[in-house]
Amino acid sequence: DQQVKQNSPSLSVQEGRISILNCDYTNSMFDYFLWYKKYPAEGPTFLISISSIKDKNEDGRFTVFLNKSAKHLSLHIVPSQPGDSAVYFCAASFGSARQLTFGSGTQLTVLP
Amino acid sequence: DTGVSQNPRHKITKRGQNVTFRCDPISEHNRLYWYRQTLGQGPEFLTYFQNEAQLEKSRLLSDRFSAERPKGSFSTLEIQRTEQGDSAMYLCASSSNSPLHFGNGTRLTVT
Repeated sequence: DQQVKQNSPSLSVQEGRISILNCDYTNSMFDYFLWYKKYPAEGPTFLISISSIKDKNEDGRFTVFLNKSAKHLSLHIVPSQPGDSAVYFCAASFGSARQLTFGSGTQLTVLP
Repeated sequence: DTGVSQNPRHKITKRGQNVTFRCDPISEHNRLYWYRQTLGQGPEFLTYFQNEAQLEKSRLLSDRFSAERPKGSFSTLEIQRTEQGDSAMYLCASSSNSPLHFGNGTRLTVT
């Protein structure tokens, strides 16, 4: 039972355009959501997070939107840069342990 | 470098052998996590320590797997009688009321 789903395995966008990565979840207990970026041969790196009490969080070129009623979140990257090319994982957690449940990832390729 | 350190980076072993991986977390972090990642999937939670106490274990963690965190510092993950299905990237992460910081993982190949 996949509690966090990323239905698009890959996404290609042109440099300078917006990248939109999507994520759906099924467990209504989740109250904290994160995006991680992963380059080959490296561990995931934290990018941005959002608490369930908010619907938007922005950090520079990265914005995460949360739609609790739809159990959906998205990551917007604008403008996209070639260095953004990586696998992006959506993750969710609840409770004090804060252990994360990950989606299967989306490979973003930003074309120069 | 004060990030999460994992050793070895790569391990190739024959089926049936035992292997042990080490994780050194960020020094001020009291929480330590082990995850496993296979090709095309996101990391899957295995187990979690708060200081030296192992507080949670996934049902993915069979009896052949054991993890320790003596003195609440570094942690080891041992896999006994390895099977080909154990081939994966094993990731360690640490945190202290913050997003998890991951190491670069240990890639295990069981032949």
